Amino acid sequence: EDKVVQSPLSLVVHEGDTVTLNCSYEVTNFRSLLWYKQEKKAPTFLFMLTSSGIEKKSGRLSSILDKKELSSILNITATQTGDSAIYLCAVDAYSGAGSYQLTFGKGTKLSVIP
Amino acid sequence: SAVISQKPSRDICQRGTSLTIQCQVDSQVTMMFWYRQQPGQSLTLIATANQGSEATYESGFVIDKFPISRPNLTFSTLTVSNMSPEDSSIYLCSALDSPIRYNEQFFGPGTRLTVL
Repeated sequence: EDKVVQSPLSLVVHEGDTVTLNCSYEVTNFRSLLWYKQEKKAPTFLFMLTSSGIEKKSGRLSSILDKKELSSILNITATQTGDSAIYLCAVDAYSGAGSYQLTFGKGTKLSVIP
Repeated sequence: SAVISQKPSRDICQRGTSLTIQCQVDSQVTMMFWYRQQPGQSLTLIATANQGSEATYESGFVIDKFPISRPNLTFSTLTVSNMSPEDSSIYLCSALDSPIRYNEQFFGPGTRLTVL
């Protein structure tokens, strides 16, 4: 069974701090790893990573995949209160019969305090 | 990117009743999915809604409990049948915008269900 584990489960930081969120996975037929930000209810897409060692960057957020270590990190620099959310990691894998499935981790709840 | 809406946004229901959640996408999409997120848990895929045929359910989910319809390429419904307090969750609809960007699912705002 495919598994995605995120750490830490929760994190409290002060504005301006830099945070690193971790995601490790055990899946067969890996295709990509995705990061989402979930505020209130709907997750919004952040990054998709398919190649090891290539950093994806968007503003203060960046992410990198290590296929050898079966893991990924999400970095947020100069955190702001608006970064407070649950960050979800998901792994996309081929599940047979021409279909694929996203397996989600439990998420890391980030709280940024002023 | 596709914009997804869900109705209702939240509901409080009595045990033993059923609730149908609607998911509307503003453009035709190749695939639609239904997820459940129980308190403190990750998103769990319930089923893939197939246009014109029966939904494909994941292990632990059955059609009698979660009947799904997808009459066209922009709309789907999920019914939570014979509800119990254990069904209290957020139910999320998601869609694939393009078969090329198959990994970038877009999510609806979710339906927060509380069963008393």
